[in-house]
Amino acid sequence: EAGVAQSPRYKIIEKRQSVAFWCNPISGHATLYWYQQILGQGPKLLIQFQNNGVVDDSQLPKDRFSAERLKGVDSTLKIQPAKLEDSAVYLCASSPGGPGSGELFFGEGSRLTVL
Amino acid sequence: DAKTTQPPSMDCAEGRAANLPCNHSTISGNEYVYWYRQIHSQGPQYIIHGLKNNETNEMASLIITEDRKSSTLILPHATLRDTAVYYCIVRVALIGANSKLTFGKGITLSVRP
Repeated sequence: EAGVAQSPRYKIIEKRQSVAFWCNPISGHATLYWYQQILGQGPKLLIQFQNNGVVDDSQLPKDRFSAERLKGVDSTLKIQPAKLEDSAVYLCASSPGGPGSGELFFGEGSRLTVL
Repeated sequence: DAKTTQPPSMDCAEGRAANLPCNHSTISGNEYVYWYRQIHSQGPQYIIHGLKNNETNEMASLIITEDRKSSTLILPHATLRDTAVYYCIVRVALIGANSKLTFGKGITLSVRP
């Protein structure tokens, strides 16, 4: 079974530029998550989708971050404009169950460096 | 969701059991204990979860105290590949509920040859 696919694996941009990350979850998984992991910290949930609807985006900095999952399958996370503090690994995860399921499958992440 | 407390790091010898403690003294009756681990440069990986009974799978065993205020993840025969950050998380797990999986800093396990 293929895992959660993410791209790009690495991205370096200058502050105030924009960047987009893509995630393809495990086939059939209805729930999709984006997490941000800053060096030395645990992952922090940014947004959670159930199919193509947003379940929780309370910790998403909406002035610069946006995410969509238009057809209920793959998803993109965009940052515009980027700030230095956005340097982190962006992890995508999917889950076969509903929002209550605690078993998440994570991708390898996209590492962003903002200069 | 209740918060957890884990020591920042520990080590063990290869081939020996690794016992990773977690304190969750404010856990509620409907909150499960989950363990994940994160190997360097990879995404977190689910290990095991439980409510109040001890659980075992092919990766590890989870021992939850009778009062549910603490738990221990046991890796019975640690290998070098088990070197990772281990996260203990408590969360409500009701079907249809929206409950975040909130990661702390975890405990760094170093397995030495």
